[in-house]
Amino acid sequence: EAGVTQFPSHSVIEKGQTVTLRCDPISGHDNLYWYRRVMGKEIKFLLHFVKESKQDESGMPNNRFLAERTGGTYSTLKVQPAELEDSGVYFCASSQVAFSGNTIYFGEGSWLTVV
Amino acid sequence: AQSVAQPEDQVNVAEGNPLTVKCTYSVSGNPYLFWYVQYPNRGLQFLLKYITGDNLVKGSYGFEAEFNKSQTSFHLKKPSALVSDSALYFCAVRDESSGDKLTFGTGTRLAVRP
Repeated sequence: EAGVTQFPSHSVIEKGQTVTLRCDPISGHDNLYWYRRVMGKEIKFLLHFVKESKQDESGMPNNRFLAERTGGTYSTLKVQPAELEDSGVYFCASSQVAFSGNTIYFGEGSWLTVV
Repeated sequence: AQSVAQPEDQVNVAEGNPLTVKCTYSVSGNPYLFWYVQYPNRGLQFLLKYITGDNLVKGSYGFEAEFNKSQTSFHLKKPSALVSDSALYFCAVRDESSGDKLTFGTGTRLAVRP
């Protein structure tokens, strides 16, 4: 069974440019999450989709970040325009059900560098 | 608000020796606790979790963790370290009040020397 897949694995862009990250969750997982780790700090929650609906987007840092999950399958996270402080690794994760004890499975991450 | 503390930035241990990576937590309700590992240039891999029941939880690659409610701790352990265990380890917590969010610690780098 394929795990959570993310694309691109690495991206280097200039400040002010746009980047779109893609995530394909594990097949059959309705719950999809975005997290990020910047500047070697802790991993922080960004948002949570249940199917195509945003269940919780309280962790989105500002309106330069836009996440979508059309059709409840894959998701994209767009950063526009990118700033230097957006550099870090963006993790996508998925789970079958939304239950506090349920395991969330993470992808390999998309490593973003803004120069 | 929930929080996780990993007091050690780095843990050094010799191969074959036991290892412990410490984690303490703070939640308002019953905790659900997780350990993830990140190998160099890789993603987060699930190791083990505590939901309820036996305080000693066994997970992947020979790791185990002990839930201690009175000390609000969930330390990760392994009886005999391998060089291949060298990685970044993250402790995480959820409770019912946090919805579906995981709150992570800052991570502990484990270095196992041959």
